[in-house]
Amino acid sequence: GAVVSQHPSRVICKSGTSVKIECRSLDFQATTMFWYRQFPKQSLMLMATSNEGSKATYEQGVEKDKFLINHASLTLSTLTVTSAHPEDSSFYICSARDSQGMGNEKLFFGSGTQLSVL
Amino acid sequence: QQQVKQSPQSLIVQKGGISIINCAYENTAFDYFPWYQQFPGKGPALLIAIRPDVSEKKEGRFTISFNKSAKQFSLHIMDSQPGDSATYFCAASMNSGYSTLTFGKGTMLLVSP
Repeated sequence: GAVVSQHPSRVICKSGTSVKIECRSLDFQATTMFWYRQFPKQSLMLMATSNEGSKATYEQGVEKDKFLINHASLTLSTLTVTSAHPEDSSFYICSARDSQGMGNEKLFFGSGTQLSVL
Repeated sequence: QQQVKQSPQSLIVQKGGISIINCAYENTAFDYFPWYQQFPGKGPALLIAIRPDVSEKKEGRFTISFNKSAKQFSLHIMDSQPGDSATYFCAASMNSGYSTLTFGKGTMLLVSP
């Protein structure tokens, strides 16, 4: 099946530093990728929709200058958490939609990144 | 209305039993209804999905029942196994399944040996 590779799986950083998370579709092209945030025992909260070659669309309440998203190719999107603070600690998950698929029937999730900000 | 309401919040089932998780929605424009399975520390994985033109879909031990008039759909896990212990999310989207997914709040399933 289709694979979405997300790295790193776990990162610990100091407050004030920036962290980059990569999301790669390994065997398909993804015009659209999504970034989610998930708190313990809660549902996925959509942060932004990333379209290849254009600016990401952020959900209400998500700071675009803090969560920088780049989708420069059809197989790679990155999320950079800038000037991270302890409240940014969370589980971040990406998903990628196969460009040749049937909508969300061909939507695949990465394995997530646990960010801990000290 | 974008909300998808999921119940129960948690569920304990004995091995071999049937696990049933329910979801309800308000937006009649939704046209794609997937269920995702998530293990701790991992991303969600698509388990099974249905479109509103059918009332039931079965894949192995997993069945979706869909009631369009009631705006409800449910996941049935037959012969539940300890390996099925995970969090399950229902979701919905529209525009032929191309809009962003709206997720339920999740159900933590524990299958006791």
